[in-house]
Amino acid sequence: EAQVTQNPRYLITVTGKKLTVTCSQNMNHEYMSWYRQDPGLGLRQIYYSMNVEVTDKGDVPEGYKVSRKEKRNFPLILESPSPNQTSLYFCASMQRESPYEQYFGPGTRLTVT
Amino acid sequence: AQSVTQLDSQVPVFEEAPVELRCNYSSSVSVYLFWYVQYPNQGLQLLLKYLSGSTLVESINGFEAEFNKSQTSFHLRKPSVHISDTAEYFCAVIHNQAGTALIFGKGTTLSVSS
Repeated sequence: EAQVTQNPRYLITVTGKKLTVTCSQNMNHEYMSWYRQDPGLGLRQIYYSMNVEVTDKGDVPEGYKVSRKEKRNFPLILESPSPNQTSLYFCASMQRESPYEQYFGPGTRLTVT
Repeated sequence: AQSVTQLDSQVPVFEEAPVELRCNYSSSVSVYLFWYVQYPNQGLQLLLKYLSGSTLVESINGFEAEFNKSQTSFHLRKPSVHISDTAEYFCAVIHNQAGTALIFGKGTTLSVSS
């Protein structure tokens, strides 16, 4: 089954404790992206990757890191989480050609206390 | 720069009533347009898309959207909604030349009651 998986689905952590949210897709997609969803703000892009070893900042990259060492994986790293990073995070992947449909993971709900 | 504006943050309707969720975009080049739906406690799913060709596109569950280039709009409509249509709906645009990020509107919450 074609899918994007994220782990963990739920995470409660404390300020400053480094964490990684994993994302993996099995569709051989070149493009992957991370979004955060906050009430009243919709989805905002954090980082995206057009291919292996190619990453770019989105609209809200501060406080986040990513890497793309393999085509299927695109982990999101919070080196020193802060309470304002409490949010719902989505990973997505897409083939870089028409029909440009992004496939989303189930989401990771992160709470930083 | 591209942007997407969803004109209504919340739309409450009664079951079997028609509904329109409005979306306007701004872009200096041709775009691809999408509507995504997020059911409660779930991720986003593609509802329908406009890439080219017919300006009226339809989904399998009765929604339709019309691309209007002159008004830069891509409004979503359904003639008769069901309770199960209760969800958050996101309009999105992608730049079709550079293949850059998908830009989302802030979402419209559709609440269908009986």
